[in-house]
Amino acid sequence: QVQLQESGPGLVKPSETLSLTCGVSGFSISSGYYWAWIRQPPGKGLEWIGNIYHSGRTNYNPSLKSRVIISVDTSKNHFSLKLSSVSAADTAVYYCSREENSRGIDPWGQGILVTVSS
Amino acid sequence: SYELTQPPSVSVSPGQTASITCSGDELGSKHTCWYQQKPGQSPVLVIYQDVTRPLGIPARFSGSNSGNTATLTISVTQAVDEADYYCQAWDSSTVVFGGGTKLTVL
Repeated sequence: QVQLQESGPGLVKPSETLSLTCGVSGFSISSGYYWAWIRQPPGKGLEWIGNIYHSGRTNYNPSLKSRVIISVDTSKNHFSLKLSSVSAADTAVYYCSREENSRGIDPWGQGILVTVSS
Repeated sequence: SYELTQPPSVSVSPGQTASITCSGDELGSKHTCWYQQKPGQSPVLVIYQDVTRPLGIPARFSGSNSGNTATLTISVTQAVDEADYYCQAWDSSTVVFGGGTKLTVL
């Protein structure tokens, strides 16, 4: 059974870089699929940030593309998110997940709340 | 950029059928998925490829997609189905979510 777990700081200062890691268990990232980051501001809807294939190929949300880097470490079976120049608008629960075109995003991690504040 | 539009809220009586729509330009030509999210929980995939239920999802959940509209239908709605529902599709290689619909069972 595939499980994903987000980890990283819960508080980031404005203008700094948000960094999160998603550990994957029960499945080897190298076996395939895209691996995605999605966020949800408090009380609001879901926003896809981007994804990465095990080869390192990435796709990003055009609205965030200039600030986002998603990377993968197959040796550690995890993938990571970096979001630069954060502001209060980046405060959200950040989810990592497995994505397959046409078959959906499943499963999801439990999510991690990241607050941007000084 | 591609947009998906959902009604903010839908209300249904227990035992009745709830329908949640998702509209987008030529959405019927894309594969649509639906997610259920209960308060404080991560989203759960309930429909993929327009009409397919993942293992463990009750048969009362069904989907359709044609023209510019995809629809999630919940038959014999139960109190446990009260949640936020999000549609999702792919535009080229990027994922797009609808704004979400709050389903109230009352």
